[in-house]
Amino acid sequence: DVKVTQSSRYLVKRTGEKVFLECVQDMDHENMFWYRQDPGLGLRLIYFSYDVKMKEKGDIPEGYSVSREKKERFSLILESASTNQTSMYLCASSSTLQPQHFGDGTRLSIL
Amino acid sequence: AQTVTQSQPEMSVQEAETVTLSCTYDTSESNYYLFWYKQPPSRQMILVIRQEAYKQQNATENRFSVNFQKAAKSFSLKISDSQLGDTAMYFCAFMPYSGGGADGLTFGKGTHLIIQP
Repeated sequence: DVKVTQSSRYLVKRTGEKVFLECVQDMDHENMFWYRQDPGLGLRLIYFSYDVKMKEKGDIPEGYSVSREKKERFSLILESASTNQTSMYLCASSSTLQPQHFGDGTRLSIL
Repeated sequence: AQTVTQSQPEMSVQEAETVTLSCTYDTSESNYYLFWYKQPPSRQMILVIRQEAYKQQNATENRFSVNFQKAAKSFSLKISDSQLGDTAMYFCAFMPYSGGGADGLTFGKGTHLIIQP
């Protein structure tokens, strides 16, 4: 069974902090994704990666960056956290033309 | 770019009833996949069912089935004999063949389905 593991289920940070959200998948998937989920807005794609060291902007990349140094790990970075980045963050992975598998999500609060 | 619209923010039905969740989409792609994902209160997004656009036959998975109308760009989910464990957010999602799925899914805003005992 595919396992996508997000490092934290809940996280509380302060404005201006640099925040790292980590995601690891164990199925050798080439594609990895970070989404943000807000009530009434569904899931919106922040960044995605189709290979090691490759990254592409999604629909809402502003204020975020990503890192993929190893195939199994995809990190989301909030360079200087702001209160409007309080949200649920979901990581996913997939192989070509296959459905995405999701982690349990990280509920991030920025105070 | 594509858009996915779920017009029912919330639905509530009695246990054992049949319920249909609506989804429409807009795209210029000719080949694509459509998905329904379920997100229970535990937050784990679970794939419920998928449909390849080139297949005319509607997909089914046990109590879950879809009504895929390609010309109308409609992709509804029917849940038969609903159970308390079906209570969840349901998201419709679109994936074009082009890009091989590497560039993510486009999601609707979700329908909160409540199954009443």
